[in-house]
Order: sequence, then structure tokens, then C-alpha cells
Amino acid sequence: DADVTQTPRNRITKTGKRIMLECSQTKGHDRMYWYRQDPGLGLRLIYYSFDVKDINKGEISDGYSVSRQAQAKFSLSLESAIPNQTALYFCATSDPAFGGAYNEQFFGPGTRLTVL
Amino acid sequence: AQSVTQPDIHITVSEGASLELRCNYSYGATPYLFWYVQSPGQGLQLLLKYFSGDTLVQGIKGFEAEFKRSQSSFNLRKPSVHWSDAAEYFCAVGAASNTGKLIFGQGTTLQVKP
Repeated sequence: DADVTQTPRNRITKTGKRIMLECSQTKGHDRMYWYRQDPGLGLRLIYYSFDVKDINKGEISDGYSVSRQAQAKFSLSLESAIPNQTALYFCATSDPAFGGAYNEQFFGPGTRLTVL
Repeated sequence: AQSVTQPDIHITVSEGASLELRCNYSYGATPYLFWYVQSPGQGLQLLLKYFSGDTLVQGIKGFEAEFKRSQSSFNLRKPSVHWSDAAEYFCAVGAASNTGKLIFGQGTTLQVKP
């Protein structure tokens, strides 16, 4: 089984709808991250969390919110989706204490979100 | 500010030919550098990483990268490309603080001709 899973894998929604993307991990890592990938822009950090009580904004957090329900679960919400939030979204984990070493991150398979 | 630049958006090579993907970074101290590969429909997989020590780093799938401080570069190489190497490649640098954040380049798409 995959260490980092994301649901759904694909989602099409309409402008103004609320959407939640979910991420679960079995790696036992404390740190979790949400990125979005756009063609020509690489991956950009939306939010990151060091533990359940420690959540931080990344470089492009506007229009997004997150919830860290447990060490293993980190959800990303779009409160009112808009078309320019159409992108590929990745969840990632890391934890130097588990031999991940510094900033190495482990990625889920991604969620492709289309906002019409 | 830290940044990563991958000058080549798209590269096409013939199968069996050598490959070099360029990566330049901007960072004040010794960087933590990574190369990830994203195959179609897949997440990102770590190819290799550099933290310190030997500046020539070996990775999975026959890839290697060389850290050159004087040129602020961390170029990825492979002596003989296979069709299965067609993918998107991302260079990344670890953020200065202990946040675990990564800063990614724009990505290079590799196409392999038969």
C-alpha cells in the first residue's frame, strides 16, 4: 500500500462550490505539506503543518484552508472554488527524525482538480 | 530570496543518448538540493539529494548530479537515456529555516525519441 494517499484522485466542480481534498499517510511523519502544480510554475507551497496544533501558511494560501485532524491526516479545503484554482494538488510528508534527513519530502500521487 | 531556476522547459533526446538537465539555485549558505521525477499520472519520486560531502551524487535509475558551488548549479546527468525516462524533472532546494519547506524549479519535461 502507498505511504501517502490522496482522495479524490480527480475532481471536477463548479465555481463557488466548496471542495475538500484529503491526504493520509502511514509513514508516521509529523510534517505535512500541500502544494499545487501549474504548468511552467513548478510546485508552490499552499500550507504546511508540523503537528496537529501547528499550521502555517505557504506562499499561496489565499483562497485555501487546511485542517490537521490527526498526525496522519491533513485536508485542504477550497471554500469557494474559482477557475484559476484548477491545478494538480500534491500532499507531501517529511520528518528528519525518521531518517528522512533534513527536508526530504515524500509525495502522494496527486489530485487533479478542475473548476468550471 | 531563495530561488531555483531550470532554464530548459522542454528537452528532447534520442534513446541511448546522454542527458544533462540544468538547475541553478540562489541560496546564501550550503544548500540542501534535490532532484525529483514525476512520471505521467504519478506523484514525485526522489532521484537523488545533496546535503554535504562528495559533490558528485549518485541516485536511482542511473542518474547522477554534481554540485558546483562556484556556479550555483546542481545539474542532473545520465549517460544513456531509456524511453522510460520520459517524464518531468524538478530541481528543489531546502529552505533556509528548519521548516522542511522545499522551493521548486519550474520543471523540465524530457521527451525521448526512439
